[in-house]
Amino acid sequence: GAVVSQHPSWVICKSGTSVKIECRSLDFQATTMFWYRQFPKQSLMLMATSNEGSKATYEQGVEKDKFLINHASLTLSTLTVTSAHPEDSSFYICSARDPRQENTEAFFGQGTRLTVV
Amino acid sequence: AQSVSQHNHHVILSEAASLELGCNYSYGGTVNLFWYVQYPGQHLQLLLKYFSGDPLVKGIKGFEAEFIKSKFSFNLRKPSVQWSDTAEYFCAVNGLFSGNTPLVFGKGTRLSVIA
Repeated sequence: GAVVSQHPSWVICKSGTSVKIECRSLDFQATTMFWYRQFPKQSLMLMATSNEGSKATYEQGVEKDKFLINHASLTLSTLTVTSAHPEDSSFYICSARDPRQENTEAFFGQGTRLTVV
Repeated sequence: AQSVSQHNHHVILSEAASLELGCNYSYGGTVNLFWYVQYPGQHLQLLLKYFSGDPLVKGIKGFEAEFIKSKFSFNLRKPSVQWSDTAEYFCAVNGLFSGNTPLVFGKGTRLSVIA
């Protein structure tokens, strides 16, 4: 089945620095990818929809200047957490569907656990 | 707007007990329904999905779910749980043919299976 790979799996950074998370579709081209955030013991909350070749669509309450999304190619979307603070510590997950299949489930990356100290 | 409600926040069962996790959704049209599982420290994995046809769907690891349209429900079941089923379970919904729209997730149910 289609695979989505996310890197890194975990990262620890100092407050004020920026962190980039990559999401790749390994055997299909994804014109659209989704970025979620998961707080401990809570569900996945959609942050933004990443569109190849155009601007990302952010959900209400998500700061677009803080969470920069770049979907520069059909197999890669990146999420950059800029000027990270401890409250940004969370589990970030990307997702994509295989557009070759009309009705299919979403595939998820392994997730990135971000800890800001 | 779509929404998904999972009734149980945390379920604790003994091994071999039967499991049923509730899921109700709110959506105005035809839907695709999913159950995902997240084992500790791992990423989300698809357990089963419903797109059309037989409303009783069988998934991996002995799980099944039944789509009851009149009740807007898609409950997950397993006749006999194992310790290895300890995980977080998420119900999700998506509108039919919505290839470029995200899934909407429930808040999840934590299942703890004790030996």
